Amino acid sequence: EAQVTQNPRYLITVTGKKLTVTCSQNMNHEYMSWYRQDPGLGLRQIYYSMNVEVTDKGDVPEGYKVSRKEKRNFPLILESPSPNQTSLYFCASSPGTGFHGQYFGPGTRLTVT
Amino acid sequence: KQEVTQIPAALSVPEGENLVLNCSFTDSAIYNLQWFRQDPGKGLTSLLLIQSSQREQTSGRLNASLDKSSGRSTLYIAASQPGDSATYLCAVISNDYKLSFGAGTTVTVRA
Repeated sequence: EAQVTQNPRYLITVTGKKLTVTCSQNMNHEYMSWYRQDPGLGLRQIYYSMNVEVTDKGDVPEGYKVSRKEKRNFPLILESPSPNQTSLYFCASSPGTGFHGQYFGPGTRLTVT
Repeated sequence: KQEVTQIPAALSVPEGENLVLNCSFTDSAIYNLQWFRQDPGKGLTSLLLIQSSQREQTSGRLNASLDKSSGRSTLYIAASQPGDSATYLCAVISNDYKLSFGAGTTVTVRA
């Protein structure tokens, strides 16, 4: 089944403890991206990647890192999480830039205390 | 920077009524526009994708139109059902490959 998977789905952590949220797609998509969703602010793009080893900042990249060493994986790294990073995170992928729709993962709900 | 606006923010209708959801965007240089549905606390389900060269797309009871020159898209849902209750999100991919979302319209269909 074609899908985007994220792990973990739920995570509660403490301020400053490094964490990684994994994202994987099995559709051989070139384009992958991360979003966060907050009440009243909607979905905002954190980082995106147009291909392996190519990443770029979205609208809210501060406090996050990403890597794209393989086409299928695009992990989101929080080196030193803070409470303002408590949010619902979505990973998405697309066959190419622009002309195709986005496929979204199920989301990861992160709480930083 | 692309700005996407959805009006109204919330909508409540009786079952059977047609729904009209509006989306506007500020930069008409887009590749495509995508409508999503999101249930509370859940992920995004793609409903319709309209390429910039298209005027509309249809899927079952759903029809989405696109007027790129005026920066508008409308999602029509015919004969609404309680199961249509959800938040509907509009997203555009601009020529710089950025995806921008509207804040959504929360729909309640009363039985």
